[in-house]
Amino acid sequence: EADIYQTPRYLVIGTGKKITLECSQTMGHDKMYWYQQDPGMELHLIHYSYGVNSTEKGDLSSESTVSRIRTEHFPLTLESARPSHTSQYLCASGLTGSNQPQHFGDGTRLSIL
Amino acid sequence: GQNIDQPTEMTATEGAIVQINCTYQTSGFNGLFWYQQHAGEAPTFLSYNVLDGLEEKGRFSSFLSRSKGYSYLLLKELQMKDSASYLCAVRDYWKLIWGAGTKLIIKP
Repeated sequence: EADIYQTPRYLVIGTGKKITLECSQTMGHDKMYWYQQDPGMELHLIHYSYGVNSTEKGDLSSESTVSRIRTEHFPLTLESARPSHTSQYLCASGLTGSNQPQHFGDGTRLSIL
Repeated sequence: GQNIDQPTEMTATEGAIVQINCTYQTSGFNGLFWYQQHAGEAPTFLSYNVLDGLEEKGRFSSFLSRSKGYSYLLLKELQMKDSASYLCAVRDYWKLIWGAGTKLIIKP
């Protein structure tokens, strides 16, 4: 089993609030990713990191930001939540190498009222 | 461009065999992954193919034809716990492109 943890699992919060979704992995993986997934839809990459102090935006335009100060920690922050941010957010990590799978956390289901 | 197609939903009977297809179009194919995702849970890795042919892993097998841009996941001796979505993901150069997944419903 992969050791990657996300908190909170569920969050219901009002519009305009600042939110930080936590993601930590204990496997020493260099690469980490944040995806957004709506029910029945494909995963969309919103941010990724190839190592400490490396962060890049993914394909899906997002108003969130990320940081990678430590290898094991990759938090995602929404400065001002809006109803359009309602979705499931999945964090993943993996080793370098095209044959290396990504290992996922259990996700955070976010609802913005 | 990049595109992955999978059937939206399939139904099969417990104990039977089911084949889930995935077709793709990418510029720089660098491997194909299959993941299983139970409702409300995280995707979990099932298999990886980069060369043509069949990879067998217990009840699950995955096949790849690079010339046809085609893969399938074969599930044998279906169990109720196999009810889940099955996601096909293709590595296009360094990037992973995801299909929308196939929801598999197992009936007793």
